[in-house]
Amino acid sequence: EVQLVESGGGLVQPGGSLRLSCEASGFTFSDCWMTWVRQAPGKGLEWVAKIKGDGSEKDYVDSVKGRFTISRDNAKNSLFLQMNSLRAEDAAVYFCASSYFSDSSAPTGWGQGTLVTVSS
Amino acid sequence: QPVLTQPSSLSASPGASASLTCTLRSGINVGPYRIYWYQQKPGSPPQYLLRYKSDSDKHQASGVPSRFSGSKDASANAGILLISGLQSEDEADYYCMTYHTTAWVFGGGTKLTVL
Repeated sequence: EVQLVESGGGLVQPGGSLRLSCEASGFTFSDCWMTWVRQAPGKGLEWVAKIKGDGSEKDYVDSVKGRFTISRDNAKNSLFLQMNSLRAEDAAVYFCASSYFSDSSAPTGWGQGTLVTVSS
Repeated sequence: QPVLTQPSSLSASPGASASLTCTLRSGINVGPYRIYWYQQKPGSPPQYLLRYKSDSDKHQASGVPSRFSGSKDASANAGILLISGLQSEDEADYYCMTYHTTAWVFGGGTKLTVL
């Protein structure tokens, strides 16, 4: 069974930084695309970033390019999201997600999420 | 105009069928796109339901009942999630998603009420 556990969320001031982590188990982590998706309070889902199993490919939604960095440590079955220059509009629950497709990076397994609050 | 547009809400009766639409922006033809569908209940993460591109290119997540199915309406330029035999537990938010240029994009979601 896929298990994804996010951590690292919290309250940060505008302009500040935060590093989210996601610990994975129950599947072969290094084989899978991993994704971060966020959801602002009471709003819809927004894809944030994705990374290939071997880390060789990454991509980001335009609004976070140059500020967020996705990375992974396959030896520790862990996914990360380094978030810098945080803005009020980045406040959301951030979900870590895995993909079991061999032909797509679409999220299939999801964690419970970690809440990021950006406020002074 | 967003890439994917969903009606904000839909109501249907128990036992009836509900057709949730996901319309692609004018100028983007739904034909080549895989449309993914997710269900989200309050306080829970989304759950992957299925994906549909054509009858020969579709996938149903394990454990998802067969009363959930995907299709397309080419004339409406839309992907469709059909839920038949509605049950109270189907009340949830439903999101469609597709891959456009280099990004995954979600629709705004449809809140399905079963009453």
